[in-house]
Amino acid sequence: NAGVTQTPKFRVLKTGQSMTLLCAQDMNHEYMYWYRQDPGMGLRLIHYSVGEGTTAKGEVPDGYNVSRLKKQNFLLGLESAAPSQTSVYFCASTLWTGGVGELFFGEGSRLTVL
Amino acid sequence: AQSVAQPEDQVNVAEGNPLTVKCTYSVSGNPYLFWYVQYPNRGLQFLLKYITGDNLVKGSYGFEAEFNKSQTSFHLKKPSALVSDSALYFCAVRDIQAAGNKLTFGGGTRVLVKP
Repeated sequence: NAGVTQTPKFRVLKTGQSMTLLCAQDMNHEYMYWYRQDPGMGLRLIHYSVGEGTTAKGEVPDGYNVSRLKKQNFLLGLESAAPSQTSVYFCASTLWTGGVGELFFGEGSRLTVL
Repeated sequence: AQSVAQPEDQVNVAEGNPLTVKCTYSVSGNPYLFWYVQYPNRGLQFLLKYITGDNLVKGSYGFEAEFNKSQTSFHLKKPSALVSDSALYFCAVRDIQAAGNKLTFGGGTRVLVKP
């Protein structure tokens, strides 16, 4: 049982390049999330999804897009990368249990934008 | 709106001594509260949660947390710290009435347990 898997784990981009981060979960979870982690700022929610085919904006959505075409996958895209998007990105998922389910996290994807 | 504050960037404690990591929260309604731990180059791992009921919640690895509604706090505690407890700890809150099961995280507290 792999849990939550993120690919790639590391990536270096030049300003203006595009890329997609893939998150896959094998726990049949309904809810999926993308967070970014920056020193001293904790985790900030970028986008989230409450089910297949649905997405919603989080706290810091600008410069990112997401898609949830399949229940098990949640993609995070950067159309034109900027140095401010240098961060560690975490995907998480949870099963809807009346709103009290804990999040399961992936190992993270470290992105550097030069 | 919901928010979490972890007032200490780092906590240093000697092995065998009690460990406390502080957390205060703000929500408009009743809170769900969580603690997560992050080891170097890893994702966050769930430690414990408060939903309702007993104010003292017990979790993984000997950790516990005390919910105090009047002080809007949810401090994490361990009676006897281990060197292996050295990690980054995050408190998180969710307003019961908030849509999407969205958690808001604090800035994190780094715990260093010295032998």
